[in-house]
Amino acid sequence: AQSVTQLDSQVPVFEEAPVELRCNYSSSVSVYLFWYVQYPNQGLQLLLKYLSGSTLVKGINGFEAEFNKSQTSFHLRKPSVHISDTAEYFCAVSEKDSGGYQKVTFGTGTKLQVIP
Amino acid sequence: NAGVTQTPKFQVLKTGQSMTLQCAQDMNHNSMYWYRQDPGMGLRLIYYSASEGTTDKGEVPNGYNVSRLNKREFSLRLESAAPSQTSVYFCASRDLAALRHEQYFGPGTRLTVT
Repeated sequence: AQSVTQLDSQVPVFEEAPVELRCNYSSSVSVYLFWYVQYPNQGLQLLLKYLSGSTLVKGINGFEAEFNKSQTSFHLRKPSVHISDTAEYFCAVSEKDSGGYQKVTFGTGTKLQVIP
Repeated sequence: NAGVTQTPKFQVLKTGQSMTLQCAQDMNHNSMYWYRQDPGMGLRLIYYSASEGTTDKGEVPNGYNVSRLNKREFSLRLESAAPSQTSVYFCASRDLAALRHEQYFGPGTRLTVT
């Protein structure tokens, strides 16, 4: 069974500083990986995804993530954050279950607070 | 293209009352999902529908029922609301047929049970 761990529940960072949000997963099969962002009082929207190919994935708003199979990690990075990046970020993993269906599991989220 | 829409946006219920949360998508997606979001717990899957005519339990199905009315609509029903069901509910859809594995989310329904 898959699980997703986002160890940092909150990450404060100063504006224009770099940030890394960590995500680790446990799965014994091949997976698809996602980062979603949730702005206050809104639904989730896709930031980026890894399905196959290059392990460095670029997304919207200057974010990128690197898939590391040996570390079972998919950390999200941005070299210089902006106030508008203040939001909650969710890592998600999709893998085939015993019935062949792509099952999705979400992490518990990391709140990014950008300090002016 | 409205994407995924949910009604209502807000609802307050008394313990024991029933209600149905509505969800519709206009992207012709096969799969639809209901999640609840609680502080510090991320999103937990209540029920999902892999395709029209099928529904399956997720991680936290107790106290809920669902109906996949047609390809567009997937409703969530609380038969007898309890304070533990106070949460934000999100509907999502996904197009696995086109190998687009990401989910598209609605704006959410904030439910308070007193």
